[in-house]
Amino acid sequence: GDSVTQMEGPVTLSEEAFLTINCTYTATGYPSLFWYVQYPGEGLQLLLKATKADDKGSNKGFEATYRKETTSFHLEKGSVQVSDSAVYFCALSGESGGSNYKLTFGKGTLLTVNP
Amino acid sequence: SQTIHQWPATLVQPVGSPLSLECTVEGTSNPNLYWYRQAAGRGLQLLFYSVGIGQISSEVPQNLSASRPQDRQFILSSKKLLLSDSGFYLCAWSVRLRGELFFGEGSRLTVL
Repeated sequence: GDSVTQMEGPVTLSEEAFLTINCTYTATGYPSLFWYVQYPGEGLQLLLKATKADDKGSNKGFEATYRKETTSFHLEKGSVQVSDSAVYFCALSGESGGSNYKLTFGKGTLLTVNP
Repeated sequence: SQTIHQWPATLVQPVGSPLSLECTVEGTSNPNLYWYRQAAGRGLQLLFYSVGIGQISSEVPQNLSASRPQDRQFILSSKKLLLSDSGFYLCAWSVRLRGELFFGEGSRLTVL
């Protein structure tokens, strides 16, 4: 079945540092890929998405490129801020029969940014 | 615009007591609806999803049940809570079967 593997962290960075959170996936066909962010005590918010190979999703300075050849969707940001501290989830929406109605999530990566 | 409401936000219940969490979506019709649980740590587990009124699919066997009495209402229930039911419960909706999910603010359940 579909699966998502992301670096579990925790990741601790200083403000203005470069961020990379790795995400790789296993799926049949051509899934859509997502990054969600969860701030403390809140629900998940969609951060960005990509629906086909080579698409780049971007939002709030974050970027991720859908790489089918490496089955990856790594999240990057050039200069993190304290307000970016949160848990980040990689997810895919597959097209195989068992996955048509749900997203498959990675386990989440806790990011802490220190001033 | 579409909004999703989930309540209560926090509750503390004794073992063996019943549970009812409610979720409603506004501003859209015939959404797909989902219940996820996030246990201690951060992973998300899909509990139930629904593609229409009265249509419920369960992902894992457990002590919980779900119902969809109206198009935009999704309820998570239990007759007798277990300690292991503690966690952060998230309701979500989507427009298309492969579309992104939009989450509620979550309900934190502590079973003592």
